Amino acid sequence: KNEVEQSPQNLTAQEGEFITINCSYSVGISALHWLQQHPGGGIVSLFMLSSGKKKHGRLIATINIQEKHSSLHITASHPRDSAVYICAVSGGTSYGKLTFGQGTILTVHP
Amino acid sequence: DGGITQSPKYLFRKEGQNVTLSCEQNLNHDAMYWYRQDPGQGLRLIYYSQIVNDFQKGDIAEGYSVSREKKESFPLTVTSAQKNPTAFYLCASRLLAGDLDEQFFGPGTRLTVL
Repeated sequence: KNEVEQSPQNLTAQEGEFITINCSYSVGISALHWLQQHPGGGIVSLFMLSSGKKKHGRLIATINIQEKHSSLHITASHPRDSAVYICAVSGGTSYGKLTFGQGTILTVHP
Repeated sequence: DGGITQSPKYLFRKEGQNVTLSCEQNLNHDAMYWYRQDPGQGLRLIYYSQIVNDFQKGDIAEGYSVSREKKESFPLTVTSAQKNPTAFYLCASRLLAGDLDEQFFGPGTRLTVL
């Protein structure tokens, strides 16, 4: 079993729909990261969370430390949100090691 | 503009050849990382360097080598000993400041072994 599991692996939505991507982890962490990878391959960091909830525009990330679970929500989804969303956790090392989930492929149709 | 550059974007190599992937950053970050991405799998750490002239093996270092002679540069060599080198390679650097702990990624190099 992977230390970081994401669900679903693939997600298709219509423009305007509310989207949720889930991430569960089995190790102790100091922080959880949500990343976005566009079709060209480049990765950008969306959020870093150690507790609670963060919001940026139409994106909301939450984390429940006790349940070892995080969710990424996208409100009013748009075709430009189509990308791979990756959950990663850090903690336990001083060198910043990240352990990554396998990613969720999101496709939003107009 | 500050950021991380990787070159080339696409690289083709014949079996048995070594190849070096470039990674440069002008973010003044001390720590840098190399990851490998395969379809359906999470990124995996190949090597990391926390400071100039120092680097450590990650989870899948076999068949790879690195150097860190300058703060800005962390090249990765894929040697002929790497049994399955076709993959997407990502370089990253780390910003660690107060509560901030974030990795910045380059655009990646897609290596194909023919």
